Amino acid sequence: DQQVKQNSPSLSVQEGRISILNCDYTNSMFDYFLWYKKYPAEGPTFLISISSIKDKNEDGRFTVFLNKSAKHLSLHIVPSQPGDSAVYFCAASAGGNQFYFGTGTSLTVIP
Amino acid sequence: DAGVIQSPRHEVTEMGQEVTLRCKPISGHNSLFWYRQTMMRGLELLIYFNNNVPIDDSGMPEDRFSAKMPNASFSTLKIQPSEPRDSAVYFCASSYQGRYGYTFGSGTRLTVV
Repeated sequence: DQQVKQNSPSLSVQEGRISILNCDYTNSMFDYFLWYKKYPAEGPTFLISISSIKDKNEDGRFTVFLNKSAKHLSLHIVPSQPGDSAVYFCAASAGGNQFYFGTGTSLTVIP
Repeated sequence: DAGVIQSPRHEVTEMGQEVTLRCKPISGHNSLFWYRQTMMRGLELLIYFNNNVPIDDSGMPEDRFSAKMPNASFSTLKIQPSEPRDSAVYFCASSYQGRYGYTFGSGTRLTVV
């Protein structure tokens, strides 16, 4: 059973516009969330994180928002650049070592 | 540090053959994870080790899959016998304490024909 869901398999955005990637989770015990970025033929790399004590975390062009009541998080990329084209995975943990990953969203930024 | 090193990068094998995937975690990391990436399930945890001890192998799909971590710098994932449905990209990841995310290797693309 998928505890972390990314319902949009793909997303296309024009360069310079905002990209919004969404992630939903079912386990209310999740208290730490990550976004990973994956280029073809490479492993996922850490992008940004957020703890459940916050509702927003910002790092340059990347901002993650957490809505605990809705069990929803989103990643905003502003402005989007062609180099942002990749697959993005969200992941969640309820403590301990194990993270549960979503199925990923493939972002294409069109020049 | 060279990061998490996986070998081979690509493996093509015939159904029924034994396949061994290898992983060298980052020095000093005490947790190691094996994931499988498929279109349907995304990144699926197969097994993870803490201080070389298997902690949770509930994600291992069948008895055909086994994993070992004989020491802190090496782990293997073995499939015997392999089947076409095992074709996927297998990732190894390591972390220190695990709480703040993992560092992934580049993956092994396995094709079973």
